Amino acid sequence: QSALTQPASVSGSPGQSITISCTGTASDIGGYNYVSWYQQHPGRAPKLVMYNVNHRPSGVSGRFSGSKSGNTASLTISGLQADDEADYFCSSYTSTNTPYVFGTGTKVTVL
Amino acid sequence: EVQLVQSGAEVKEAGESLKISCQGSAYDFATYWIGWVRQIPGRGLEWMGIIFPGDADTRYSPSFQGHVTFSADKSISTAFLQWSGLKASDTAMYYCARLRRGSANYHFDFWGQGTLVTVSS
Repeated sequence: QSALTQPASVSGSPGQSITISCTGTASDIGGYNYVSWYQQHPGRAPKLVMYNVNHRPSGVSGRFSGSKSGNTASLTISGLQADDEADYFCSSYTSTNTPYVFGTGTKVTVL
Repeated sequence: EVQLVQSGAEVKEAGESLKISCQGSAYDFATYWIGWVRQIPGRGLEWMGIIFPGDADTRYSPSFQGHVTFSADKSISTAFLQWSGLKASDTAMYYCARLRRGSANYHFDFWGQGTLVTVSS
């Protein structure tokens, strides 16, 4: 099972909106609504920021939103803030012999 | 608050054995799957597999099957990841995480702080 494909980097200025894409196949993103997103600051453990495509865990800012179309999922961060600078990984349940796959990761830079 | 606390960093030589731990608190440890995730420095996340502490049911990624072993002791709310013969390529950060599985869910909602394993050849 190959990793889901994400852009290596995305950047934006404070206050702007950015969108991170995550492309898979019909065996993972396209087949299930079990897409999650994790935020990882340098030297820290990943933190869940979105699950089931567009559900925010308690405590996660409403500036984060998720969506899916076909085999591609997206995470949008609006009103970009300095603390949003981190690595973001998407993930999905899959129907292959590895039931869970992560994305390649995207480094978000706040200019 | 749900917490997963992992054991400290380890430095080992190739061929040695190692067992690291992950202790949960503030929830019924036996009733949630625990997953293990590898992160090679500067790289992405890899799903290694999961274990259900309630009955020790395990699922391994084919990439890790046969090289690592998961176990759990629900009496002390602790899951373990072990190697019987480390390789230099096992050098990585290892995270445990609680898995929300079933009832239309499949995601890791709480993560341990990570255990850095360094293997010298």
